Amino acid sequence: EPEVTQTPSHQVTQMGQEVILRCVPISNHLYFYWYRQILGQKVEFLVSFYNNEISEKSEIFDDQFSVERPDGSNFTLKIRSTKLEDSAMYFCASRKDRATDTQYFGPGTRLTVL
Amino acid sequence: DAKTTQPPSMDCAEGRAANLPCNHSTISGNEYVYWYRQIHSQGPQYIIHGLKNNETNEMASLIITEDRKSSTLILPHATLRDTAVYYCIVLKTSYDKVIFGPGTSLSVIP
Repeated sequence: EPEVTQTPSHQVTQMGQEVILRCVPISNHLYFYWYRQILGQKVEFLVSFYNNEISEKSEIFDDQFSVERPDGSNFTLKIRSTKLEDSAMYFCASRKDRATDTQYFGPGTRLTVL
Repeated sequence: DAKTTQPPSMDCAEGRAANLPCNHSTISGNEYVYWYRQIHSQGPQYIIHGLKNNETNEMASLIITEDRKSSTLILPHATLRDTAVYYCIVLKTSYDKVIFGPGTSLSVIP
């Protein structure tokens, strides 16, 4: 069964550094998402992406964050200058269409900012 | 999207059926009931969804009351690997983002 994959599984970085989290959505899916989960808290929506542009973003998704689909298979989340509070699990999700189709999540990247 | 209410935690004996309730009294006609689960810090895993009919797949069954104000997720023979947080989420037909609540923490006990 097709799956969403994410790399790396764990990323450790210093505060102020840039990080790029990578996702490979399911191949025929057209809608892409990023969520995050701070330890012990709920999964929170960050951004949705369709047709090479952002459809919706949350308050969390400020100017430090950006998303890109650089080619036909990858979907990336970039944090320009990481802060301690960016430490969290980041989940990518994808969906084939918006009519009735289900959103499928990847295994996540654990980001630790020191 | 309609709000859902779930018990914060439940226990279930291994091998028994786990019945997880969810209230969604303000659900509207074009909103589906979705269930996801999250096994310790892994990505949320889709389980099942339905509109008004009962649904069954290889993982679980979903029973939705006739008035659609509540539903029950049934794991027919719970195993230790079913220990997870289970989220009941109501989503419109053309939903975009998924909004997760606190869910029900299910512990399957040997």
